[in-house]
Order: sequence, then structure tokens, then C-alpha cells
Amino acid sequence: KAGVTQTPRYLIKTRGQQVTLSCSPISGHRSVSWYQQTPGQGLQFLFEYFSETQRNKGNFPGRFSGRQFSNSRSEMNVSTLELGDSALYLCASSPGYGELFFGEGSRLTVL
Amino acid sequence: SQQGEEDPQALSIQEGENATMNCSYKTSINNLQWYRQNSGRGLVHLILIRSNEREKHSGRLRVTLDTSKKSSSLLITASRAADTASYFCATGTDTGRRALTFGSGTRLQVQP
Repeated sequence: KAGVTQTPRYLIKTRGQQVTLSCSPISGHRSVSWYQQTPGQGLQFLFEYFSETQRNKGNFPGRFSGRQFSNSRSEMNVSTLELGDSALYLCASSPGYGELFFGEGSRLTVL
Repeated sequence: SQQGEEDPQALSIQEGENATMNCSYKTSINNLQWYRQNSGRGLVHLILIRSNEREKHSGRLRVTLDTSKKSSSLLITASRAADTASYFCATGTDTGRRALTFGSGTRLQVQP
């Protein structure tokens, strides 16, 4: 089985721009969640989608949004980028119970 | 914000020795999981222990959970250079089993 695929792997944006990150979960997994990892704040939960519905949301501003499509693929969007949004964004999929399978991440640099 | 703290923040041992990492958390949990992360890469799931379990084994890994103390420990026996990585504990709640709260991590260095 193919693992979780995230695209793009690396990207550079400037302040004020927006970015869309994509995640393809493991086949058959209906849950997709997103995490932000920074040196200062560590790993923080952004949101989780299950069968196209947002099930949980972390404590992030409204500039961070996401969605899940009927094929379980997910995207997250960050609008009006700030320097502090520079991070490794990790996507994880799950068949439904606790264990998460992570992708390699999308490393965003905001200049 | 992170729920848990991990101790120690960094650990350096020789190949063949055991490595023990501790994790504390703050709220009631449904499960506690341990993940490994090689530098700048994605996380790899190691083991999951549910709140009604006290100990779990998987290969060279042993995890304990003490819900009264809100703490867990991960023991890696007979460590190898390939175990060099950062290790994170993560907790899920009854309302968010997959909305994990991660600890700050322990950076393990295994010297060959």
C-alpha cells in the first residue's frame, strides 16, 4: 500500500501570500488530520477531517482552513501568510482508530 | 500549546544500552501513543496504549502508563545506532482520539 503523500514537499512564499498544501491518504483511510511543527511550538494539531466533515479543530486563527474531498484527499490553505507560519506541515491519515500514519511533510518558508 | 512534557529533552547512550524516556500529560486521555521522527521527516507510529492498559510491549519497546500520575514511559532495550531520532508522546481524548496533543519530544542519540 502506498503511504501518505504530501505535495509540495518544499515551498517558499512571501508575507501576505496564500498557500495550499495537498495530502493523499492511504487508500481506505477516511480520516485525515493536519499538524504544524515549529522549533518553538513543537507539534500542534490543526484540524481533522473524517468523511468530508471537520471533526476537530485546533487553536489556530481562521487564516488556516482545510477541506476533504469525497476520495478522502485533503487540502489545507493558509491565507495572508505571516513569518511565523514558516513550519513543517504534516498530514496524517487513519483508518478510524487511534494510530496515525504520517506523510513526509510540506516545508513552508515565509519570507 | 503542548499538553505534555518529555524528560529528558536529550539523551545520549552507547549502542546496546537501554534508553528510557518519560512523558507527562495534563488532561484525561483515551489513548497515549509514541512516535519517532528522524530529522525533518514524517513521524512513524511506534506503539499505542489505551487508558485502561498499564503496560504494552512491541519488539524492543516497552511502554507503561500510569493514569493516576498522568505519566508514561517508553523503554527501548538494546538500542542501535538506527534508533537515533526524536521520540514524541501524543495523547488522544474521548472526543478527539485522532486530534493528538504532542509532547515536546526527547532527542535520542545512540553512539555506535
